Amino acid sequence: DTGVSQDPRHKITKRGQNVTFRCDPISEHNRLYWYRQTLGQGPEFLTYFQNEAQLEKSRLLSDRFSAERPKGSFSTLEIQRTEQGDSAMYLCASSLSSPSSSGQGAFGAGSRLTVL
Amino acid sequence: SQQGEEDPQALSIQEGENATMNCSYKTSINNLQWYRQNSGRGLVHLILIRSNEREKHSGRLRVTLDTSKKSSSLLITASRAADTASYFCATDWTGANSKLTFGKGITLSVRP
Repeated sequence: DTGVSQDPRHKITKRGQNVTFRCDPISEHNRLYWYRQTLGQGPEFLTYFQNEAQLEKSRLLSDRFSAERPKGSFSTLEIQRTEQGDSAMYLCASSLSSPSSSGQGAFGAGSRLTVL
Repeated sequence: SQQGEEDPQALSIQEGENATMNCSYKTSINNLQWYRQNSGRGLVHLILIRSNEREKHSGRLRVTLDTSKKSSSLLITASRAADTASYFCATDWTGANSKLTFGKGITLSVRP
């Protein structure tokens, strides 16, 4: 297992187009998180899955954003009708939900989105 | 909104010197973590300190946590040029499903 994988690494799109990012977590991790990071800022929480259930969504996740984790393994994050303000790095992280491992997860390298 | 506030925002030191970075937060936490991020790359986990711990070491890293002051510090000893990166503290709030809340980060430059 090589860690959390994200694809694509870079995406350039025109305003109004839809984009989809994929995250493959560490195989035994049942929790999966999406974060968004804009230039000069720290990552901000978007949403979180435990297995296939989406348990929490941030107010940052407008109705143009949808995330899925259909079989409790990989996850997709789709942005519809992209806007220039969506330009950011989208980071995925995974972890195990056990008290001994609380908080210890791994981040992917991120998917950088540029909306023209 | 971002829970943590790191200080200073930017730090420039000579190779071999120690680097101290501070983080303050606002609410009760389960644990606090420090991450490193090289330019345009993902986050690398450095160290985690739990709310009932006061100090932790890992190699050249030393982290302290003062829950009464809601603050933490990260010390990197004998810095190297390869330590040049952005450093973030992240808190895991009590009862918050382990989602992390990050500060804005500190940019560390280590001059060779």
